[in-house]
Amino acid sequence: NAGVMQNPRHLVRRRGQEARLRCSPMKGHSHVYWYRQLPEEGLKFMVYLQKENIIDESGMPKERFSAEFPKEGPSILRIQQVVRGDSAAYFCASSLQQYTGELFFGEGSRLTVL
Amino acid sequence: QKEVEQDPGPLSVPEGAIVSLNCTYSNSAFQYFMWYRQYSRKGPELLMYTYSSGNKEDGRFTAQVDKSSKYISLFIRDSQPSDSATYLCAMSNNNNDMRFGAGTRLTVKP
Repeated sequence: NAGVMQNPRHLVRRRGQEARLRCSPMKGHSHVYWYRQLPEEGLKFMVYLQKENIIDESGMPKERFSAEFPKEGPSILRIQQVVRGDSAAYFCASSLQQYTGELFFGEGSRLTVL
Repeated sequence: QKEVEQDPGPLSVPEGAIVSLNCTYSNSAFQYFMWYRQYSRKGPELLMYTYSSGNKEDGRFTAQVDKSSKYISLFIRDSQPSDSATYLCAMSNNNNDMRFGAGTRLTVKP
């Protein structure tokens, strides 16, 4: 499967625990984006990364959330000390060029915080 | 006012109908306009991509952009039950400043 791969597809955490969501972009893509989607709402931009660099994190909450895209391995979205309001679907997308408008999305990781 | 407004529906039509989906926006700097289709519990997939004003046709799908009115549309001809999904409009003036509509849920009944 050459598409964007996200795992886990479903993650359940208790309040205060940590959540780690992984994203492997499409082969050859070096631009990765994370979005959050709440029920009945559109996709909300969180962060844009290139290899080893955070380009734009203007959509990331200032606390508890972090993202990385190391030289080797997948991009990671990390949420520390989760709260119930963090329950959502988190989508990763990748693109070949910096801007083509053509984002390819993964299937999403659905986080449930109990 | 939201930057991108999209009627969430739900919209239900009989098979074979013409479907019209619309979005309005407030930021005149947007230049790239996209429509994504999202099936339940799946990730969005790009349907149509247009730059600036004008029309673009791809099979049964036609995208229209009217920048003077800040209004974009997606038309689906001869709609099929397999078109039942949520349709998200998206627009941007660069890569990391993309804005999505809330999505319109469409059901095409056989």
